[in-house]
This record gives sequence, structure tokens and C-alpha cells, in this order.
Amino acid sequence: DIQMTQSPSSLSASVGDRVTITCRASQGISSYLAWFQQKPGKAPKSLIYAASTLQSGVPSKFSGSASGTDFTLTISSLQPEDFATYYCLQYNSMPYTFGQGTKLEIK
Amino acid sequence: QVQLVQSGAEVEKPGASVKISCKASGYTFISHYIHWVRQAPGQGPEWMGAINPRGSTTSYAQNFQGRVTMTRDTSTSTVYMELSSLRSEDTAVYYCVRGGPEYPFNFWGQGTLVTVSS
Repeated sequence: DIQMTQSPSSLSASVGDRVTITCRASQGISSYLAWFQQKPGKAPKSLIYAASTLQSGVPSKFSGSASGTDFTLTISSLQPEDFATYYCLQYNSMPYTFGQGTKLEIK
Repeated sequence: QVQLVQSGAEVEKPGASVKISCKASGYTFISHYIHWVRQAPGQGPEWMGAINPRGSTTSYAQNFQGRVTMTRDTSTSTVYMELSSLRSEDTAVYYCVRGGPEYPFNFWGQGTLVTVSS
């Protein structure tokens, strides 16, 4: 199975900051990587698929990139509604696997 | 518009089975895999498996092999997920999610809370 190592597990930032979250795959997954945002009591919301393609309706402050087996989610100009937990998911091969999550908190 | 509507919350005793439904609408049912993801309280999401509604082929995560069965009914555009031999650790919210190719994982059911308790 492909392991997804996500870092950091938690992150404290201020409104207006730019933050980066990383997922590393244990083997090549091409660009089959998605990013999700989750708020308490809600289903995960898809932000990005294919490593860098924004889902419809997702603001351009969210961006994704890839370099080999390293994938990055960048959120610019943090707003209060962006403070949530973020997960990556590899969907290159089954079983699909999620990263452990990054909790983004207000400093 | 694409919608996935799941069945309601369930309370089951240890050792029992639970069967959750996920009714799809707003797109061609057989064109997209349906995945099942669960999330235990305070934990991250966990991929359980998927079914291809076109041919009914399935793929299950090793953690659930032998306990999970995913089926579909093309006449009603509904997918079912049955989990057997329930234990307290199976208490979680269970989600169905539409796969690709277009907009993979963009559409989620509302979630079904399964509580396993004696």
C-alpha cells in the first residue's frame, strides 16, 4: 500500500499569512493527489485534484504543486474561514490512502 | 445537480451487521465509481473501498476484507455498503463519495452515523 506522510500535523498562523502543507508519497503516484478541507461536523470538501487542479468554485488562494513524490498545498492570505483541518489523498492505486491531516489554527 | 443521499443513522450491537444506502442522482450512474470513506470520532478519514457501478467490480481496503460488501442497483442508481461483525471501533460517520474521471471526490453524501454499542 502507498503511505502518505503529511506534515506538519498542526500549524498556527495569523489572518493574512501564507501557509504550506506537504504530503509525501511512499512511491510514485503520478499526479493522482487530492486535497481536502474539513470543518468540524462536516464532510471533507474537495479543494484540488490531479495535484494542482482547483475544483469548481474553489478560490484561487488555494494552490497545489508537485515535485516527484512530494506534494504541496499552499493557502495564501489566510482568512478566518480557512482555519480547518486539511487532508491529502492519493488515488493512483487502490487502496487509496489519506494523509494524517494538518490542523490549521489561528495564532 | 449531482447528489448523493445516504440512509439515516444506525445503532447496532457488537457482532451485528449494518447496511447503508447511497442514492445517486444528477449524472450517469454507471460512469463513476462510488467510494466509501469512514471517519471515526476525532480521527482522519479512512478509505474503505469502492465499487464500479458499470460492472459491479469492487476493491476493498485490507482492513475491511471479509467484513465489507459493496453492491449496487442500477435500476435505482443506488449503492449499498454492508459491514458485518461490528465492533465498537466501527463507530464512525460513513460517507459515499463519487469518483472520477470528472471532478473526482467533489461530491459526497451527507454521511451516516453508525454507533456500535451494547
